[in-house]
Amino acid sequence: GNSVTQMEGPVTLSEEAFLTINCTYTATGYPSLFWYVQYPGEGLQLLLKATKADDKGSNKGFEATYRKETTSFHLEKGSVQVSDSAVYFCALSAYSGAGSYQLTFGKGTKLSVIP
Amino acid sequence: KAGVTQTPRYLIKTRGQQVTLSCSPISGHRSVSWYQQTPGQGLQFLFEYFSETQRNKGNFPGRFSGRQFSNSRSEMNVSTLELGDSALYLCASSLEGGTWDTQYFGPGTRLTVL
Repeated sequence: GNSVTQMEGPVTLSEEAFLTINCTYTATGYPSLFWYVQYPGEGLQLLLKATKADDKGSNKGFEATYRKETTSFHLEKGSVQVSDSAVYFCALSAYSGAGSYQLTFGKGTKLSVIP
Repeated sequence: KAGVTQTPRYLIKTRGQQVTLSCSPISGHRSVSWYQQTPGQGLQFLFEYFSETQRNKGNFPGRFSGRQFSNSRSEMNVSTLELGDSALYLCASSLEGGTWDTQYFGPGTRLTVL
């Protein structure tokens, strides 16, 4: 079946540090890949996505590149801010039969950024 | 455009009771999916509805059920509640539900079973 593995947290960084959260996946067919972010007490918000190999998704200074050869979609940001403190989820969307598609999520990585 | 709304935001129930959660998708979206989020299991897919039909179901017992109405609004029902059903239940909507489609999430309903 489909699965997503992302690095375990929590991750604590100082403001302006470089961020990398690793994500690898296993899927049949041609999935789309997503990063979602969840702030405390809130639902999930889409951060960025990529729908085919070599696509780069980007938003709010975050970037991730869909690497089919390494089945990876690592999240990066050059300079984190305190406001980036949240839980980050890597996810894939793939066909699951009967004309349906579903999101499969990683376990989430909690990021804390300290001033 | 209004986002996905879920009601109620918080619920407290006791074991054995049943509960109904509601989700209103973004206008024009026809696919609605439900997820359960717990600290131990993370985010798990419950089911997906499209045009009032359940297209897909995750690995949950039959106590978990849902439906979708003609206006795409969806409800989820859990019968005979167990302590382990305590979780954040998230609803997500998308246009058609394809792999490329972005799912937009509501704020969730926090269910506590005592």
